[in-house]
Amino acid sequence: IAGITQAPTSQILAAGRRMTLRCTQDMRHNAMYWYRQDLGLGLRLIHYSNTAGTTGKGEVPDGYSVSRANTDDFPLTLASAVPSQTSVYFCASSESWGRNYGYTFGSGTRLTVV
Amino acid sequence: GNSVTQMEGPVTLSEEAFLTINCTYTATGYPSLFWYVQYPGEGLQLLLKATKADDKGSNKGFEATYRKETTSFHLEKGSVQVSDSAVYFCALGDSNYQLIWGAGTKLIIKP
Repeated sequence: IAGITQAPTSQILAAGRRMTLRCTQDMRHNAMYWYRQDLGLGLRLIHYSNTAGTTGKGEVPDGYSVSRANTDDFPLTLASAVPSQTSVYFCASSESWGRNYGYTFGSGTRLTVV
Repeated sequence: GNSVTQMEGPVTLSEEAFLTINCTYTATGYPSLFWYVQYPGEGLQLLLKATKADDKGSNKGFEATYRKETTSFHLEKGSVQVSDSAVYFCALGDSNYQLIWGAGTKLIIKP
């Protein structure tokens, strides 16, 4: 089934540890995104990539890094996790970079930093 | 700056009732407008979209019309089902190619 695969589904992480959230899509979409979803704060964009080899900062990029070595993969890394990074993380993609394109979302990674 | 405002939830309806979830926006230029739905424990799914004024998006019995004169994109469904219980997000695609999200409206349908 075409779509976005995120891993892990959930994780409990000790503060200070490094963690990479994986995201893979099989739709050959050019643009990819990472969001965090927090109760009462809605969806906030962390980082994006409009094509392989390029990335950009979203609304809340601090403490996170991304890479886009190829079209399909867009991992999100927390270099040194803090409790405020407890959230549900969603990876998304769109066919291209533009205002008319709808997004396809993964099922999310629920991360708890303790 | 660009923004999206949705009606606060939760919205609670009985099965077969008529649904309206209000969404208004502020934007420069000619944004695209979207409705997404998030079922419990899942990611968001694109429900419908409209890319220019007076366009009507529709899917699964839901519809919304892009009204530039009232800067609105209200979501409607004629007869809701228990399975429609979810959180609904209105979003705007702006000239910077970013999606601006509403806060989401939780919909609860009682049998």
